[in-house]
Amino acid sequence: ETGVTQTPRHLVMGMTNKKSLKCEQHLGHNAMYWYKQSAKKPLELMFVYSLEERVENNSVPSRFSPECPNSSHLFLHLHTLQPEDSALYLCASSQHDRAEQYFGPGTRLTVT
Amino acid sequence: AQSVTQLDSHVSVSEGTPVLLRCNYSSSYSPSLFWYVQHPNKGLQLLLKYTSAATLVKGINGFEAEFKKSETSFHLTKPSAHMSDAAEYFCVVSDHGKTSYDKVIFGPGTSLSVIP
Repeated sequence: ETGVTQTPRHLVMGMTNKKSLKCEQHLGHNAMYWYKQSAKKPLELMFVYSLEERVENNSVPSRFSPECPNSSHLFLHLHTLQPEDSALYLCASSQHDRAEQYFGPGTRLTVT
Repeated sequence: AQSVTQLDSHVSVSEGTPVLLRCNYSSSYSPSLFWYVQHPNKGLQLLLKYTSAATLVKGINGFEAEFKKSETSFHLTKPSAHMSDAAEYFCVVSDHGKTSYDKVIFGPGTSLSVIP
């Protein structure tokens, strides 16, 4: 489970706050992903970075802003979130030409 | 277009009895297929994968899955359920070569309960 780490594990924030989620992978992969997992809903792919370029942005609101400074690190910057954004945010990594992804433990986000 | 259907949103079995979690897929290409498990408050863990080699795939913790092209199915089985198998299970399909990365589609998940 230490291949992909995420911090913090839990985050409570108000709607006017700005916070960032961090993901780090130690597997030598070159693609990284952000997913949103809400109760009773399928896993939603938010962003994909492949070879350090953003290659997918699935109509995610602009209050979510990803950043991938290098192939090992991925951030998700949050600002002016809504209560419906409360969810488990999962980071994953893979080789860009391989489908199997390795997941971090997630950040449980609560927006009050 | 790819899609994944997990026919049961919830399955309940007694400890020591067999487990069957069903998955059907559609894909325009020769797909890769995966099963992931997610225990409460944890990330997803890869259980097993099919990538066009042997159609019967063995994974971790005694799970296996059989790829049946004619039925477009990839059902997950285990001969004897253990209490620690209680979790959410996701079937995943991926097509190859259409993008610079392998795009995966997750099924909605099946929640497995194991009764003592």
